[in-house]
Amino acid sequence: DTAVSQTPKYLVTQMGNDKSIKCEQNLGHDTMYWYKQDSKKFLKIMFSYNNKELIINETVPNRFSPKSPDKAHLNLHINSLELGDSAVYFCASSQVSGVNSPLHFGNGTRLTVT
Amino acid sequence: AQTVTQSQPEMSVQDAETVTLSCTYDTSENNYYLFWYKQPPSRQMILVIRQEAYKQQNATENRFSVNFQKAAKSFSLKISDSQLGDTAMYFCAFMNPPDKLIFGTGTRLQVFP
Repeated sequence: DTAVSQTPKYLVTQMGNDKSIKCEQNLGHDTMYWYKQDSKKFLKIMFSYNNKELIINETVPNRFSPKSPDKAHLNLHINSLELGDSAVYFCASSQVSGVNSPLHFGNGTRLTVT
Repeated sequence: AQTVTQSQPEMSVQDAETVTLSCTYDTSENNYYLFWYKQPPSRQMILVIRQEAYKQQNATENRFSVNFQKAAKSFSLKISDSQLGDTAMYFCAFMNPPDKLIFGTGTRLQVFP
C-alpha cells in the first residue's frame, strides 16, 4: 500500500507547455506539501496545505498553482513551463507538524523541460 | 530565519565501520524538531531518525544514533556497522512547528565493501 503516491513518475515536456502532477495520500493526514529538489539535490518547500487551505507559499512563481480538492489530494499545475523548472518534485504529507508526525514523502516526479 | 548547514558534501566509509555526518542549524526558537532523512538512488525520501529539542536524551534507531548538542546547535548522525545499503544522500532537517521543514544541502555517503 503506497502511503503517498504521485503521478507521473517522469514527465518530459517542451518549454511553454502546461502540465500537472497529481498527489494522493491514504494516511488520513491533514497537511500536504510540495517540495522541489534541484539539480544540486537541494530540497526546498514550495507550498503546504492544511485541510485544503493554503498555509505556506514560498514565493513560488504564480505559474505554479497548487490545488487541493480534498485533504487527501494536492495537485500541482504548472503553466508556461521554463527550462529552470526542470527538477524533481516531491509531494509529502503529515498529520500535524512535529516529531510525532514527520513528513511522509512520495517517490518524486522528475520533470524535464526541453 | 532558520538555516541548516551540512558541511560535508561527500563522505565515504568501509562496510562494518562507523561514520558520523555533521549538521548544524541556526534558530532563535526553543521548541523545535530535528530529523535525518535518507535518499537512496531510488530517489525515495526515507525518515531515518528524529529528535525533539526539549529532550536531552539522544535518539537511537538500531544502527543510527544522533549526538544532539542544543547549546552548540549541532545534530550529528552516527551510523554504526555501515552497510552497503546505507549508500545514499543524507539530509538533516529542522522544523519549528507548525512551520515548514527546512533541509540542509545534504551529504552523499558512499559505503565501500
